[in-house]
Amino acid sequence: DAGVIQSPRHEVTEMGQEVTLRCKPISGHDYLFWYRQTMMRGLELLIYFNNNVPIDDSGMPEDRFSAKMPNASFSTLKIQPSEPRDSAVYFCASRGGGLSFTDTQYFGPGTRLTVL
Amino acid sequence: AQRVTQPEKLLSVFKGAPVELKCNYSYSGSPELFWYVQYSRQRLQLLLRHISRESIKGFTADLNKGETSFHLKKPFAQEEDSAMYYCALNYGGSQGNLIFGKGTKLSVKP
Repeated sequence: DAGVIQSPRHEVTEMGQEVTLRCKPISGHDYLFWYRQTMMRGLELLIYFNNNVPIDDSGMPEDRFSAKMPNASFSTLKIQPSEPRDSAVYFCASRGGGLSFTDTQYFGPGTRLTVL
Repeated sequence: AQRVTQPEKLLSVFKGAPVELKCNYSYSGSPELFWYVQYSRQRLQLLLRHISRESIKGFTADLNKGETSFHLKKPFAQEEDSAMYYCALNYGGSQGNLIFGKGTKLSVKP
């Protein structure tokens, strides 16, 4: 298994442009999480899905951010319009939905976003 | 509200020296705590969880509810231990939501 896959690995864009980040979770995992990592705020949970349904999006910073999970094997995080303060590393993670609530989250390699 | 604090941004030790990475938490429920590690150019991965009481790569961590701490320790640091370490608290029960500390960069010098 290749683990959680994210694309692109690096994205450089100009302010005002739309950015779409993609994630493929580990097959069979029921939970998918999107995180943002910055020097100032560390690793923050943005939104998570259970069985493709968004459960908690309270971490999404503002309306410019949106996330979808059209099926069990694909999720997107979109920023429209992008701003320089959105520059960060965005991680996707997935987790099985077994009985053990301490099942670990498996992280993707991250997408480094730079907004000029 | 739940919170995880890692007071040290950077910890530098020499090879063979003991190392302790501090983690304190604030949570009204029964805490479930983890340590994650991110080696250079690798993805974030689970190092250990308190409920397993395990030792991974020589690291251990004991949950101290009285002091609300979950410090990560290793008696003899190795150069390959150099990495970013994140303490995380499960606040989501069966949902498994994690809140992370801001991380401590461990640098082990030869």
